[in-house]
Amino acid sequence: DTAVSQTPKYLVTQMGNDKSIKCEQNLGHDTMYWYKQDSKKFLKIMFSYNNKELIINETVPNRFSPKSPDKAHLNLHINSLELGDSAVYFCASSQRGGSHGTQYFGPGTRLLVL
Amino acid sequence: GDSVTQMEGPVTLSEEACLTINCTYTATGYPSLFWYVQYPGEGLQLLLKATKADDKGSNKGFEATYRKETTSFHLEKGSVQVSDSAVYFCALSDRGGNTPLVFGKGTRLSVIA
Repeated sequence: DTAVSQTPKYLVTQMGNDKSIKCEQNLGHDTMYWYKQDSKKFLKIMFSYNNKELIINETVPNRFSPKSPDKAHLNLHINSLELGDSAVYFCASSQRGGSHGTQYFGPGTRLLVL
Repeated sequence: GDSVTQMEGPVTLSEEACLTINCTYTATGYPSLFWYVQYPGEGLQLLLKATKADDKGSNKGFEATYRKETTSFHLEKGSVQVSDSAVYFCALSDRGGNTPLVFGKGTRLSVIA
């Protein structure tokens, strides 16, 4: 009964490959996010979706393409992976107008590009 | 834009010592304030939150009070344990519920026996 789940947990791949990360939440929330945590632990928003519509895209290279097939899912596809994409990617969700902005996070996907 | 500044670590304490991690913020409007904790190799967990001025959030012996006059939300614990070793993040968001969190840079806490 995990609230926010991500797959895979670990991803090791070669430069130039294309990979996807999946996220699902069973909290009934209408807003989902992708955050990137760099090697210094700094967390930064990448994308935000509300009711399957993109509402925030924070100057992320267009090699990154999010997709939300429904309110409970938000996937992240990355094309032509680069060394600098190595990071931990966190999915999160929240409910508009609920819980005063509280967000719930998945366990993270640790991406290593070789 | 909104921002969060928290004390840089690492912080190393002996077991049963008192902990304070300072956090100040800059925001338009009246944000909600949060502390998240990240244990080694794990994801982010909500530790506590406060949604209006003078509110005190508390959990697992940790406390933080929303101080509008000093724009601060310092995290405190009276007696830390080895199991509290983690990275702590102060964050804010709009209370409306669908804006991204703005995080501080995180403070790594190590508690030694």
